[in-house]
Amino acid sequence: GAGVSQSPSNKVTEKGKDVELRCDPISGHTALYWYRQSLGQGLEFLIYFQGNSAPDKSGLPSDRFSAERTGGSVSTLTIQRTQQEDSAVYLCASRAGTYLSTDTQYFGPGTRLTVL
Amino acid sequence: TQLLEQSPQFLSIQEGENLTVYCNSSSVFSSLQWYRQEPGEGPVLLVTVVTGGEVKKLKRLTFQFGDARKDSSLHITAAQTGDTGLYLCAGARAGGTSYGKLTFGQGTILTVHP
Repeated sequence: GAGVSQSPSNKVTEKGKDVELRCDPISGHTALYWYRQSLGQGLEFLIYFQGNSAPDKSGLPSDRFSAERTGGSVSTLTIQRTQQEDSAVYLCASRAGTYLSTDTQYFGPGTRLTVL
Repeated sequence: TQLLEQSPQFLSIQEGENLTVYCNSSSVFSSLQWYRQEPGEGPVLLVTVVTGGEVKKLKRLTFQFGDARKDSSLHITAAQTGDTGLYLCAGARAGGTSYGKLTFGQGTILTVHP
């Protein structure tokens, strides 16, 4: 596709339920990131995938959070037993994947998660 | 621990005024990026600075990277209502295995009134 897409755009769930958030990166991009953003705040890094390497999971806030990337393309972020503090916008970004820190990250529009 | 301190957090000005947003850290970054984000959308990259002391201009926006590569500033001249949005700085650390992993500041919410 032309850009990074995420689905759903909005998700309302009840406390204790599991949710899955999907990210479709730009075709050919080997690097994929998940971030979390609270209202009007900066982005909190969650997890990073680069090609076939083991993902960098250092930002995941608890073991209720997990993510996978199938076939080096689509990624799913799963939150188990959701809590109210999980409410936030979850942003996905992809990058061409060269080992340059100046590479541009392209962000999707995000999924707004509300846990009641 | 917030590695990138961004200030001010909120800025409300009149159209035509100038403003500066600051991004400071005690850590050295190999590059620093500035993003602008509008409601309901993801951040969009404005500029990347990589060299200490570097100054980049993008129309009415001027970006500066500190000599020690620990801080940066964004200056907007003659602000317009279309500049309204959330401005984010983000730094990439040198070395390590997580190339391209960015650390974001808390953001500055800019409102430009007509």
